Amino acid sequence: SQQGEEDPQALSIQEGENATMNCSYKTSINNLQWYRQNSGRGLVHLILIRSNEREKHSGRLRVTLDTSKKSSSLLITASRAADTASYFCATDSGANSKLTFGKGITLSVRP
Amino acid sequence: DVKVTQSSRYLVKRTGEKVFLECVQDMDHENMFWYRQDPGLGLRLIYFSYDVKMKEKGDIPEGYSVSREKKERFSLILESASTNQTSMYLCASQFKGWSETQYFGPGTRLLVL
Repeated sequence: SQQGEEDPQALSIQEGENATMNCSYKTSINNLQWYRQNSGRGLVHLILIRSNEREKHSGRLRVTLDTSKKSSSLLITASRAADTASYFCATDSGANSKLTFGKGITLSVRP
Repeated sequence: DVKVTQSSRYLVKRTGEKVFLECVQDMDHENMFWYRQDPGLGLRLIYFSYDVKMKEKGDIPEGYSVSREKKERFSLILESASTNQTSMYLCASQFKGWSETQYFGPGTRLLVL
């Protein structure tokens, strides 16, 4: 069952621009994680934000969490061609619950 | 760095064959997972294990079984492969806290003819 839903499904931007990706979910969560997947490879963890946090930074990544709106956004600043990948949000909804992944956003960064 | 390895990157099998996909992690993680990933459907959990010899069904366990005889190794078994099991299979491991990061292997792309 899908908990997180990413938006948009696909995003194409020019190198140097910022990329904003959104994730909405339905039930309350313990934390929300963002992962990245290069074509044909496994997923790589990017950042985790807990339900009591509102914003988190890691290098060029900025994640926000709005639990009242049940939504999160991932901002990649000054994008590079190497950021081209699929991005997934994953939510953890309760004790002993598993991560539930969204369907992903395909980001293309044009050189 | 955590390393999760999967036995094959690409695999071609015939309908009806028994298929074994193996996953090994080197970080002494308690939890291990098998997902399949299909276009438009995202990642779907097949089975997971939170300890040696323990297993739990995920969202789509039908047609699959698993084995965890050692902590570092989690095997996915397709008892009788069918064409609708053609997919990308991803293994992940995780420290025992359920809220923790999952570490993924590179994936096995399975084609069942």
